[in-house]
Amino acid sequence: GIQVEQSPPDLILQEGANSTLRCNFSDSVNNLQWFHQNPWGQLINLFYIPSGTKQNGRLSATTVATERYSLLYISSSQTTDSGVYFCIPYTGGFKTFFGAGTRLFVKA
Amino acid sequence: DVKVTQSSRYLVKRTGEKVFLECVQDMDHENMFWYRQDPGLGLRLIYFSYDVKMKEKGDIPEGYSVSREKKERFSLILESASTNQTSMYLCASSLPGAQILGYTFGSGTRLTVV
Repeated sequence: GIQVEQSPPDLILQEGANSTLRCNFSDSVNNLQWFHQNPWGQLINLFYIPSGTKQNGRLSATTVATERYSLLYISSSQTTDSGVYFCIPYTGGFKTFFGAGTRLFVKA
Repeated sequence: DVKVTQSSRYLVKRTGEKVFLECVQDMDHENMFWYRQDPGLGLRLIYFSYDVKMKEKGDIPEGYSVSREKKERFSLILESASTNQTSMYLCASSLPGAQILGYTFGSGTRLTVV
């Protein structure tokens, strides 16, 4: 199956800082989804982004499918951004491949 | 707002008990999934269902069974709970072709088996 690699594995930011999270995947994808898992365990959809760039407030994402990577940008980070960020590339069918995630902690 | 609701946020059960975890979605989604999440192992698929009364094994079905009698409800059953089933359990749903619109997850159930 598709291999998913997320980097960095852990990230500590001071509130207000910007960051870039990366998701590399080993095969062609139909779509890609970014999730934020908050400290209480809830997985919240951030973006569906098979290609191109999308923005939602302080967050934006870019997927370059031909080069098999996606980036999640967080600007002016807040403590509520803390948690784990997962990317899920979809290749079709029911099998879904999760990366190990990037664990983010934003200090006040 | 569309929702996937898991019946319990926290659950403590004794070894050997039969445990039911319930998941209900209000989006008329055909596909429903049960995952468990453990530190260092990420999310692993236990079972999924693509229609009422249909079920398929995921990567780690041993010790679990599922039931889908109605479209909106997907139940995970631990036939005889064991301590190695202590975990975070996440339910998700999607339309057919999850690759188009992706998943919606419930808020999770933290199960402790003592």
